[in-house]
Amino acid sequence: EIVLTQSPATLSLSPGESATLSCRASLNVWSHLAWYQHKPGQPPRLVIYDASTRATGIPGRFSGSGSGTEFTLTISNLEPDDFAVYYCQQRSTFTFGPGTTVEIK
Amino acid sequence: QEQLVQSGAEVKKPGSTVKISCKTSGGTFTTYTVSWVRQAPGQGLEWVGGIVPIFGTANYAQKFRARVTLTADEATGTAFMQLNYLTSDDTATYYCARSQSNTDYYYYAMDVWGQGTTVTVSS
Repeated sequence: EIVLTQSPATLSLSPGESATLSCRASLNVWSHLAWYQHKPGQPPRLVIYDASTRATGIPGRFSGSGSGTEFTLTISNLEPDDFAVYYCQQRSTFTFGPGTTVEIK
Repeated sequence: QEQLVQSGAEVKKPGSTVKISCKTSGGTFTTYTVSWVRQAPGQGLEWVGGIVPIFGTANYAQKFRARVTLTADEATGTAFMQLNYLTSDDTATYYCARSQSNTDYYYYAMDVWGQGTTVTVSS
């Protein structure tokens, strides 16, 4: 089974700063990696799929990169609405990573 | 914008069965896949399984394979998740979610989600 590892577990930042989140896969998942944003009491929201394609309605300050086993989600100029937990998911066996919490510093 | 509407909260006894429904506002699921994802209190997201409603074929995470059954009624645009032999570890919010792509059959990149159904297992 493919295991996804996310780092850091928690990122403490201020609005206006940039966030860099990492997702590492235990095996090659090519470019088939998605990122979700999840806030308490709400369903998750698809942010990025296929490593770098923004989902419908996602602002340009969200960008994804990577392939193979190493992936990055970058959020530029953090806005208050961006503080949430972010999960990656791979397409081979559909599992999620453990998540990175982006919290207000 | 398509919506997925799930059935209401459930309280169950250990050892019992729960069945949750997920209905699309779009009439049918056509060629999209439907996944079921859960989140236990204080935990992350966990993929339970998925189904291609138009074919009725399902795929389950190894952890749940012995206890979960996914079905779909394409005529009514409703998907179902049945989980048997419930324990307190199954206390969670369960989400159904539709795939972003309707041209492949992966349980991945879900862009339409139900509101979640809370299942509480307690004696």
